[in-house]
This record gives sequence, C-alpha cells and structure tokens, in this order.
Amino acid sequence: EVQLVESGGGLVQPGGSLRLSCAVSGFTLSDHYMDWVRQAPGKGLEWVGRTRSKVNTYTTQYAASVKGRFTISRDDSKNSLYLQMNSLNIEDTAVYYCVRVSQTYYFFDYWGQGTLVTVSS
Amino acid sequence: DIQMTQSPSSLSASVGDRVTITCRASQGISNSLAWFQQKPGKAPKSLIYAASSLQSGVPSKFSGSGSGTDFTLTISRLQPEDFATYYCQQYASYPLTFGQGTKVEIK
Repeated sequence: EVQLVESGGGLVQPGGSLRLSCAVSGFTLSDHYMDWVRQAPGKGLEWVGRTRSKVNTYTTQYAASVKGRFTISRDDSKNSLYLQMNSLNIEDTAVYYCVRVSQTYYFFDYWGQGTLVTVSS
Repeated sequence: DIQMTQSPSSLSASVGDRVTITCRASQGISNSLAWFQQKPGKAPKSLIYAASSLQSGVPSKFSGSGSGTDFTLTISRLQPEDFATYYCQQYASYPLTFGQGTKVEIK
C-alpha cells in the first residue's frame, strides 16, 4: 500500500526557516518524480515544486513564488522527501502536501495527509 | 503560465442528480488534464488522469472528457459521499496549475 506521511510543520516567524519531511512506503521512491503542493487556508491548490526520479538525475523545478527560497531534496535510502523553506513570509502559510507522480502519464496519483505551516509573528 | 478556469465555482444538486463541471485551459494542453476530489480537512484524491482515464479504485460514476482547451468532469447519480470540492489540473507544462475549484453542495 502506497503511503506518504508528512511531518515538520508548525509555527514560524516571518523570515524564518522550516524543513518538512515526507516518509514514503509501498513503492520505490527512486523510480518516481515527487512534488510538493500547498493550500492556503480556505484557498485552492498551488503547485510548489518537483524533484525528478533517479534516472532523470533528480533534477528539480519550482514555482516562481518559491524559487530561490525553497529547496526540494530526497534521500531514497531513507525513503524520504524533504522541503527546505527559507525566508518564509505570511503568504507561505498553508497545508503542504507531499505528492507522488505516476510513472506513466505523470499525473498526481497519491497524496499525503498534509502538514500545516503557519508563518506569523 | 497556463490558466485553468473552472465553472461553475459552486453548484447545488440533489442526490441522484447528474452533475457536470467544466474546465478551460488558457492554451492547448492536449489531454494532460487531471481531476481531483477534496473533502473538508482531507487531502485531495485523484479521480481522472489523461482527461478521461479513471484512476484505479475510482467508481465508474465519475467520467472525464475533452482535449485541447476544454474539459468536463461528469458525476452520474450523485451520492452523499460525492459532495466535495473538485479541482482540475494541467500537467502539460511548468508551472503545473490548478483550477480554482468547484464546490458541489447538497440542495
């Protein structure tokens, strides 16, 4: 059974940093692209970024709103995905979801339950 | 960036109704279109990919169609568990983008 479990969310001050983790199981992480998607309170879904699979040399892609501040990484040996968030601002307050990308068709096939990040003074 | 526009933003329907939600892309995306269902306080759930393919385990009352710029999600015979918010999403090009959502409420 595919499972994605995020952790690391919490309250952080503007300008601060936070690192989210996503523990995966039920599949071989290195075979898959993995993404982060966020949802501000009461708002819609916003794509944050992607790390490609091992065969695609783990290259990354980011939304303009987080580029240069957020970094996606992974440790396939630990079955984990990470999102390092720096220079956080109030607009980054959201539930952050870890999402698996299907090996065929490249759509989002499994989502984690999400972790809430609140940026506030 | 490709803008995804859903209509309507919300709708009221009764159990047993047939419901159709539309999604329009600001430029052609072939069939690189997915649909998700989200219930309050829960993560989104994949329903449809490649515009019309049903994700494994999703009941056949959900169906998708379209190509290019215009897409639809249809729910036949609406059931109480189907009341939720539905999002379309394009994965043809970066940045990946979502529609604003369509909230399906009980009439």
